[in-house]
Amino acid sequence: AQKVTQAQTEISVVEKEDVTLDCVYETRDTTYYLFWYKQPPSGELVFLIRRNSFDEQNEISGRYSWNFQKSTSSFNFTITASQVVDSAVYFCALSGNYGGSQGNLIFGKGTKLSVKP
Amino acid sequence: DGGITQSPKYLFRKEGQNVTLSCEQNLNHDAMYWYRQDPGQGLRLIYYSQIVNDFQKGDIAEGYSVSREKKESFPLTVTSAQKNPTAFYLCASSIRTSGREGQQFFGPGTRLTVL
Repeated sequence: AQKVTQAQTEISVVEKEDVTLDCVYETRDTTYYLFWYKQPPSGELVFLIRRNSFDEQNEISGRYSWNFQKSTSSFNFTITASQVVDSAVYFCALSGNYGGSQGNLIFGKGTKLSVKP
Repeated sequence: DGGITQSPKYLFRKEGQNVTLSCEQNLNHDAMYWYRQDPGQGLRLIYYSQIVNDFQKGDIAEGYSVSREKKESFPLTVTSAQKNPTAFYLCASSIRTSGREGQQFFGPGTRLTVL
């Protein structure tokens, strides 16, 4: 069965601190995709990144970086020099082989990040 | 601008009434999805549709119904059989394009409250 675990329910940091959000996944698929979405207070989910199972390169986008490690089934997300605007709920999600599981996403329960000024 | 619209943003319903949530997309995406979000529960899949006139139950389909008569529309009906319908409902769509497999695009959501 597929499963995504975000063990951190809530995190609170002070502005400019670095923060890492953890994501651990389980799947039997050899081809799969991992995602991070941001949900600000308005409610709409904003896509942040997609990573396929064959690409273990870490990625950096501005203050955001992602560490994908297949050996530990983890896909962690780090925000460097956090800002108040980063306050949101962050979801990690897993999608199996597109033809097999029809691209459905399995979501973790989310991590609520609060960045205080 | 292309995107997904959901209406209304807030919806109040009396117990025992059916209510329909609208979801429209102009992204020309084939697949559409409905999720339910409760506090601390993440998103749970209610129904999904890969093509017009076809849809499948997700993890929590009981008490809900859908239709997919047009590619751009995927309305969700919350029936009186749904025991605890108060929640935030999100609609999403996706396209089968190399490099975007599995990526879903979300609407702004509808917050349903049963009085």
